[in-house]
Amino acid sequence: GEDVEQSLFLSVREGDSSVINCTYTDSSSTYLYWYKQEPGAGLQLLTYIFSNMDMKQDQRLTVLLNKKDIHLSLRIADTQTGDSAIYFCAEKGSGYSTLTFGKGTMLLVSP
Amino acid sequence: GAVVSQHPSWVICKSGTSVKIECRSLDFQATTMFWYRQFPKQSLMLMATSNEGSKATYEQGVEKDKFLINHASLTLSTLTVTSAHPEDSSFYICSAPATSRGRGYQETQYFGPGTRLLVL
Repeated sequence: GEDVEQSLFLSVREGDSSVINCTYTDSSSTYLYWYKQEPGAGLQLLTYIFSNMDMKQDQRLTVLLNKKDIHLSLRIADTQTGDSAIYFCAEKGSGYSTLTFGKGTMLLVSP
Repeated sequence: GAVVSQHPSWVICKSGTSVKIECRSLDFQATTMFWYRQFPKQSLMLMATSNEGSKATYEQGVEKDKFLINHASLTLSTLTVTSAHPEDSSFYICSAPATSRGRGYQETQYFGPGTRLLVL
């Protein structure tokens, strides 16, 4: 596809796990990123995964990469209300510094 | 991680005026910086690539005479919105790549906090 695709909205209860999915565009992308954006703020890098990895875990965050399906997911364990934000996946093509972003998934965590 | 700052964080101006937004890499040097624009509830759209000491590279559909970019030093890039109009109102975010060493070298984009522009 031409665009990085993400579902627009996800709602979970506090304490549950959240899974945000992303389909990227280029199977030769070298790095895949997850960024978090809180209202009115810039982007905060959450985690990234190199294309030769299938999984990366970083505290409550687990990233899964399926290169065959060009699919990336972010799992947040024990989701907290402070996790409510918009989450963007982004891919970095081989040889390029710039990133291509998805449209973002708004995560709403209710108490 | 590396820190990128932007100034101002928000600006309100009258239609027809010019607005300058600064992007600084605080603890690293950046020969390249990127300027993005984000409309409400939308993703970031790359506007241009700012290159230190040379002309910026603009994405298709972005008017280079309207969005002037100057990357005069390794830590500062500026975006000037000339003769701003209400449709230029948006959230402008810059980023700069920084290389960190872990297992090999990893280049990561660090983003500024953004500048919210409102043109009346």
